[in-house]
Amino acid sequence: EIVMTQTPLSLPVTLGQPASISCRSSQSLVHSSGNTYLSWLQQRPGQPPRLLIYKVSDRFSGVPDRFSGSGAGTDFTLKISRVEAEDVGIYYCMQATQLRTFGQGTKLEIQ
Amino acid sequence: HLQLQESGPGQVKPSETLSLTCTVSGDSISNNNYYWGWFRQPPGKGLEWIGAKFYSGSSEYNPSLRSRVTISLDTSKNQFSLSLSSVTAADTAVYYCASDIFRSDWCHGGQWGQGALVTVSS
Repeated sequence: EIVMTQTPLSLPVTLGQPASISCRSSQSLVHSSGNTYLSWLQQRPGQPPRLLIYKVSDRFSGVPDRFSGSGAGTDFTLKISRVEAEDVGIYYCMQATQLRTFGQGTKLEIQ
Repeated sequence: HLQLQESGPGQVKPSETLSLTCTVSGDSISNNNYYWGWFRQPPGKGLEWIGAKFYSGSSEYNPSLRSRVTISLDTSKNQFSLSLSSVTAADTAVYYCASDIFRSDWCHGGQWGQGALVTVSS
């Protein structure tokens, strides 16, 4: 099983400031197809998860461009350029290269 | 616009079988551009993948749950379902149906239902 490790687990951020979440996998996420299947999901309080980023850096439909993803191999990052109040929630990385596993989640709050 | 909605009993007795249905609207479950799956989230905890299935029949399951899980598709009702046998209190969770969507490549977790809380209790 591929283990996903996120840091930090708690992320207090000031409105308008940038935020960054890291995700590390226990083995390379490069699929046999050559693609890397690493997604980022946002879960607002009381809501289902919502896909933000897929295949490391591709933004899903309707996702604001203040969200961006980067990384390769085993190390990945989600960045929010300027945090807004609606960004409060828990962010998960998820690998789909070998079945599916999630990171523990990072709770973003406004300080 | 694809939409998913879970339905089923909110409470199941220990040792019995949990059964949930996901009703799909906005497209057909026989469209091979979708991979239909189930996830769960115990109260206050993180997300866990249960398994997924294509219309073509191929499927994958979480190894830790494989012996107890079945996912099936009903094209006549445009639904897919989850069956989890021999449940215990550890299976208490919000259960989500979700789909991967193929748009030039796979968007894993592209669409989610609202979730259904299932409590295992006698």
